[in-house]
Amino acid sequence: QKEVEQDPGPLSVPEGAIVSLNCTYSNSAFQYFMWYRQYSRKGPELLMYTYSSGNKEDGRFTAQVDKSSKYISLFIRDSQPSDSATYLCAAFAGNTPLVFGKGTRLSVIA
Amino acid sequence: DTGVSQDPRHKITKRGQNVTFRCDPISEHNRLYWYRQTLGQGPEFLTYFQNEAQLEKSRLLSDRFSAERPKGSFSTLEIQRTEQGDSAMYLCASSLEWDRYGYTFGSGTRLTVV
Repeated sequence: QKEVEQDPGPLSVPEGAIVSLNCTYSNSAFQYFMWYRQYSRKGPELLMYTYSSGNKEDGRFTAQVDKSSKYISLFIRDSQPSDSATYLCAAFAGNTPLVFGKGTRLSVIA
Repeated sequence: DTGVSQDPRHKITKRGQNVTFRCDPISEHNRLYWYRQTLGQGPEFLTYFQNEAQLEKSRLLSDRFSAERPKGSFSTLEIQRTEQGDSAMYLCASSLEWDRYGYTFGSGTRLTVV
């Protein structure tokens, strides 16, 4: 079992839809949780960061972490075609390397 | 400072040849990471440096792989006797120690072994 599991999709939604992306993890030591966005043939770029359990909102993006169920979520409101990309969840314990999920490929159709 | 730079962007090599990639991190970042990403997969950790010290290596990093970070600045990743299975995107990232804000990644070097 990988430490961070993520459904690779692909996921296709109409423009304006609310998108829900999810991951689970197995390592109880993970404290820092991140979402990266990766466009084709580019490196990942940090989208959202959350420490421990809770929610964090940034514009149209909301990240949620539930440590009791080891569940990580990213919500995208009013999705746009420019949001079409691969979304990677990642986690680490602090002084250990970042561990990534497989990534979910999202397409937002105009 | 415009971020993490990787060179070359693309590399095509014949099986059995040696290749070397370079990464220039963000100047004030003292941690530097190498990851490998294959199609449809997330990045997989290879190794990381704090300043010039290589602190951890993944079991993915076979004896044919070696990484250096002389003087704690840029880093190189060398693959000797390349195999077709080495074809992947090699990503470099940097961060501050105890960086709560994640890593900054470069655009990667895409290696194709033919």
